[in-house]
Amino acid sequence: GAVVSQHPSRVICKSGTSVKIECRSLDFQATTMFWYRQFPKKSLMLMATSNEGSKATYEQGVEKDKFLINHASLTLSTLTVTSAHPEDSSFYICSAGGMGTSGRSHEQYFGPGTRLTVT
Amino acid sequence: AQTVTQSQPEMSVQEAETVTLSCTYDTSESNYYLFWYKQPPSRQMILVIRQEAYKQQNATENRFSVNFQKAAKSFSLKISDSQLGDTAMYFCAFMKGDSGYALNFGKGTSLLVTP
Repeated sequence: GAVVSQHPSRVICKSGTSVKIECRSLDFQATTMFWYRQFPKKSLMLMATSNEGSKATYEQGVEKDKFLINHASLTLSTLTVTSAHPEDSSFYICSAGGMGTSGRSHEQYFGPGTRLTVT
Repeated sequence: AQTVTQSQPEMSVQEAETVTLSCTYDTSESNYYLFWYKQPPSRQMILVIRQEAYKQQNATENRFSVNFQKAAKSFSLKISDSQLGDTAMYFCAFMKGDSGYALNFGKGTSLLVTP
């Protein structure tokens, strides 16, 4: 398989502040990374797709100015929640697409997720 | 757009028994991949099994196997000899072959394995 890390695992921030979440592929190069949002007992909702060196593609209904995504290298993507509000509280999961160590194409490897609480 | 439907929000099975989780999908694509992911209480997404649409043979991974019916667009997951550690949310997912790896998830099935 392949390892994807996320940092921080939990974060609490005050309303109006910004928070950055990092997603790293540790043992392979990820040309494409994905950011998901998951509400309690719900499925994963794709927020955006990021490709290294280019602008992210956002899903319909996701505010690109609020959720800033940067994919500066083949191993790092960041999601910044700007001017956070309580309704942004959620579980955010990143994943990286690539062959990993399995050598199989068309697989996504998931990070452990970040729980964001906005007070 | 592709849709993935999991019609069983919750299921329960006794330890050592067999359970089948259902999944149907709708697509006009010919090249695609299907996945089952497990999300335990830790919320880490874990790949259980994958199936390439062009392969007729059903995928198998130890106690996990799928029944892939391409014409019916059905992709069910069978868990044999259920273990307590199998308790988790299970998500069926679809990926187009040329999608750049984007996944469409079903709503999930919560599986409880009881002693």
